[in-house]
Amino acid sequence: DIQLSQSPSSLSAYVGDRVTITCRASQTIDVYLNWYQQKPGKAPKLLIYAASYLQRGVPSRFTGSGSGTDFTLTITSLQPEDFTTYYCQQSFTNPITFGGGTKVQIK
Amino acid sequence: EVQLTESGGGLVQPGGSLRLSCAVSGFTISRHWMAWVRQAPGKGLEWVANIKEDGSETEYVDSVMGRFTISRDNAANSVHLQMDNLRAEDTSVFYCARVVGVLISFAGGIVSAKSFDQWGQGTLVTVSS
Repeated sequence: DIQLSQSPSSLSAYVGDRVTITCRASQTIDVYLNWYQQKPGKAPKLLIYAASYLQRGVPSRFTGSGSGTDFTLTITSLQPEDFTTYYCQQSFTNPITFGGGTKVQIK
Repeated sequence: EVQLTESGGGLVQPGGSLRLSCAVSGFTISRHWMAWVRQAPGKGLEWVANIKEDGSETEYVDSVMGRFTISRDNAANSVHLQMDNLRAEDTSVFYCARVVGVLISFAGGIVSAKSFDQWGQGTLVTVSS
């Protein structure tokens, strides 16, 4: 199975900060990497697909990059609604796997 | 408006069974692979199963293989998950999700990149005596 390691597991930041979350795959997954945002008690929401493509309706302050084994999600100018948990997910091969999550907290 | 609405969750004893359903409106499921994803309390997300557009192919995570069965009724626009021989470690919120494949250019070719782009609100399954 492909393991996805997200780092950090949590971070604290101010409104307006730029933050970067990393997702590292245990083997190459080309660009088959997606990012989701999940708020407490809610379903995940797709933010970025295929490593760098912004899902329709998602604000442009969210950007994704990477290929192979190393990927990043960057949020420029954090907004109050962005303080929540983020997951990466690979669709390169079954079983589909998710990273352990990164909780973004307000400082 | 796209809506996926799960139902069928509840409290069940270890070894018991439950059948989850996902009623879909706003799109025709016959054009999409569909999936179930679960989340144990306070934990991360875990993919459970996928089913092809016409139901001819199914895929499962190893931990549920032989115990869970994903199915679909395209005429009713619904997806189901039959869960047998439930264990305490199956306790989770179960989400129904649409699988979408988008064609992108990569490494000199065109590939289909899949993601879960629409999700239901989830239904809680608790396995406990």
